[in-house]
Amino acid sequence: GESVGLHLPTLSVQEGDNSIINCAYSNSASDYFIWYKQESGKGPQFIIDIRSNMDKRQGQRVTVLLNKTVKHLSLQIAATQPGDSAVYFCAELNNNDMRFGAGTRLTVKP
Amino acid sequence: SQTIHQWPATLVQPVGSPLSLECTVEGTSNPNLYWYRQAAGRGLQLLFYSVGIGQISSEVPQNLSASRPQDRQFILSSKKLLLSDSGFYLCAWRRSGGNYEQFFGPGTRLTVL
Repeated sequence: GESVGLHLPTLSVQEGDNSIINCAYSNSASDYFIWYKQESGKGPQFIIDIRSNMDKRQGQRVTVLLNKTVKHLSLQIAATQPGDSAVYFCAELNNNDMRFGAGTRLTVKP
Repeated sequence: SQTIHQWPATLVQPVGSPLSLECTVEGTSNPNLYWYRQAAGRGLQLLFYSVGIGQISSEVPQNLSASRPQDRQFILSSKKLLLSDSGFYLCAWRRSGGNYEQFFGPGTRLTVL
């Protein structure tokens, strides 16, 4: 379900390091997954997606890994930059029903 | 290309006053439309969604309501605001009929005093 009542977990990394943000999804029948980035005061923006027939997909500086066995999704950001500081949400889609994770706040230290 | 608009961007309203937030989508037809609320430092709470004109589904009981008078217009309303209605309201759209990403609007920051 949606963890909308919980404070967001946080991740703090040094500029230039790699970041890994994790997400556990709930529905084993979900077949499409998305990572969103939300900067303060703005709406979430699409970063990268992956379909259930894949276990890895790469974008520019970002990689999404999908482990269907344990229902786990991760977002890896290479060479993290200050502009990457934001809240990151995962989303799962099953039969037209999209559900969002609680989100993780990423802070990049200079 | 598709765009999604929300207004107003910010709103300060007294308790007990009415509310109307508007969302419009351009560049697509028959989208699925969504209203979310986000409390400070929290996740996204789905309030309403619509798969067509006049079709509204509510996810949580509350004093808010939604309407879809036109294909690409989604309105969030309240007759009497509560303090607990304060938050960041996000409208989103998604193409119907398959696995597609969801696009979010810029949001409306509502403060109820």
